[in-house]
Amino acid sequence: LAKTTQPISMDSYEGQEVNITCSHNNIATNDYITWYQQFPSQGPRFIIQGYKTKVTNEVASLFIPADRKSSTLSLPRVSLSDTAVYYCLVGANNNDMRFGAGTRLTVKP
Amino acid sequence: DAGVTQSPTHLIKTRGQQVTLRCSPISGHKSVSWYQQVLGQGPQFIFQYYEKEERGRGNFPDRFSARQFPNYSSELNVNALLLGDSALYLCASSKRALGDYGYTFGSGTRLTVV
Repeated sequence: LAKTTQPISMDSYEGQEVNITCSHNNIATNDYITWYQQFPSQGPRFIIQGYKTKVTNEVASLFIPADRKSSTLSLPRVSLSDTAVYYCLVGANNNDMRFGAGTRLTVKP
Repeated sequence: DAGVTQSPTHLIKTRGQQVTLRCSPISGHKSVSWYQQVLGQGPQFIFQYYEKEERGRGNFPDRFSARQFPNYSSELNVNALLLGDSALYLCASSKRALGDYGYTFGSGTRLTVV
């Protein structure tokens, strides 16, 4: 199972772009990279998923280099409501997707 | 469409008791997974069911069991409760058992064992 490494915490200010990088050196050929956001006492919320290169949706972008050994979640112009824990997961099947400790993002006014 | 619904939302049990938690997936989703989240940690995988069959099991003792019904809803049972079982129990559903879709999580059941 691919293991992921993320920073434990990050601080930012409203209106800034935030980039959270996840390392997954042992990612397998069939693995996808998925990011979730979690607020206190709520279930994680799916943000974005990708396999290679760049994926963009209405809330975030995901950058994956050619070797796929890392990925970067980019949150444009964060607001206070983006304060949450962000998890990076890799896996090909839902029964092998494991959550790490995540990155606690704090957005300050 | 309703999201993933879990019941009850909160529960207090005594050590040694048994508990059953329930989950209804999003309509059309055939895969249900259960996670345990202890305060301050990421969710830990317990079980995955797809088409009523167990497809994966995490590193949890046999006191934990689950099943999926023909309507794809699921129950998680925990026997002989320990204080350490106090946690937020999350259910997640997806259309397939594969990872190329992503989960939708419910809001969880907060279990407190006293």
